[in-house]
Amino acid sequence: DAGVIQSPRHEVTEMGQEVTLRCKPISGHNSLFWYRQTMMRGLELLIYFNNNVPIDDSGMPEDRFSAKMPNASFSTLKIQPSEPRDSAVYFCASTRAGRVRETQYFGPGTRLLVL
Amino acid sequence: AQKVTQAQTEISVVEKEDVTLDCVYETRDTTYYLFWYKQPPSGELVFLIRRNSFDEQNEISGRYSWNFQKSTSSFNFTITASQVVDSAVYFCALSRERQGGKLIFGQGTELSVKP
Repeated sequence: DAGVIQSPRHEVTEMGQEVTLRCKPISGHNSLFWYRQTMMRGLELLIYFNNNVPIDDSGMPEDRFSAKMPNASFSTLKIQPSEPRDSAVYFCASTRAGRVRETQYFGPGTRLLVL
Repeated sequence: AQKVTQAQTEISVVEKEDVTLDCVYETRDTTYYLFWYKQPPSGELVFLIRRNSFDEQNEISGRYSWNFQKSTSSFNFTITASQVVDSAVYFCALSRERQGGKLIFGQGTELSVKP
């Protein structure tokens, strides 16, 4: 079975450019999470969706960040304009939301470098 | 507030030694979930175990074992007869019953197993 798929795996861009990260969750999973990993802050949640609806975006750093989930099999995280401090690894994770807390499975991550 | 503390930033052992990674958590919830993830040098996050707050049974999986003690709010992870392939960063995480299951991660413990 395919796991969580993220693209691109690596992205190098210049400050001010728009960056779009993509995620395809595991089929049948109805919750999707975006996390960011940096040396300074570790792993932190940016936003999560249940049934394509954003539930908690309190971790989104600022208005330059936006996320969408137009359907159950696709989500994007967009940074516009990008800044060097956005350089990090961005992970997408998915799980089945239900009465019991299921395990979140992570994608391979997107390594973003903003010059 | 919810918090996960992994006090050991780095651990270095020689192959075949046993090693224990500590995890202490804070939560006021009565229902919660604890997880361990492994992040090898390749960067992906690999799920190892999930434990809910009502299940204090210790678990063993091959060379891995976990000790969950609610009385001390700890969920420690032991690797028996460590191998070079165990070298990775290990994360302990907490998920509340509420808040949609978002994961609160510890800072991680970097384990280096030398031949």
